[in-house]
Amino acid sequence: ILNVEQSPQSLHVQEGDSTNFTCSFPSSNFYALHWYRWETAKSPEALFVMTLNGDEKKKGRISATLNTKEGYSYLYIKGSQPEDSATYLCAFPNTGNQFYFGTGTSLTVIP
Amino acid sequence: DVKVTQSSRYLVKRTGEKVFLECVQDMDHENMFWYRQDPGLGLRLIYFSYDVKMKEKGDIPEGYSVSREKKERFSLILESASTNQTSMYLCASTLQGIEGEQYFGPGTRLTVT
Repeated sequence: ILNVEQSPQSLHVQEGDSTNFTCSFPSSNFYALHWYRWETAKSPEALFVMTLNGDEKKKGRISATLNTKEGYSYLYIKGSQPEDSATYLCAFPNTGNQFYFGTGTSLTVIP
Repeated sequence: DVKVTQSSRYLVKRTGEKVFLECVQDMDHENMFWYRQDPGLGLRLIYFSYDVKMKEKGDIPEGYSVSREKKERFSLILESASTNQTSMYLCASTLQGIEGEQYFGPGTRLTVT
């Protein structure tokens, strides 16, 4: 079992604040790192799949960076909105197609 | 749009019953997965399948089996349901391997009494 850790566990921010959270994963045998957003009563949806060290991906106000050498990825949300409230999951796959998920960061954006 | 459907959103079963959870995807994906989600533990992989009739154990396969007779359908079977199998069960599929994003179903909240 691979150790994938996310921090913080939960976060409450005011509307308009920018925020970020972390996913830590094993730095050896890196293949990809996934980010998902899971809104209440919905299915988790993919945000980013990152494969290259130093990669930065962006989707609207959300962006992610990747450092495979030190084993972490940051997810940033600029100008948080109430609709950003969700649990954000990262997942680290091994070569055998097995995905290891972190426990998630629960974000609440207060209007 | 890829669609992954699960047979039930909510299910209540008794201890000892055999339980079938069905998952169907409509995008010809090779890989399918069954996870369970429990508070504080995140998503944990029960079984996955990379082809018809092929299956691999995940981290927590005990008490479960799976069946994949057709490419689009992946079933999770609880041979004899127990109260510690009360959980949210999520099915997912992906076209590629580790670089392909996973598409999730809506989940089945199973309660075993």
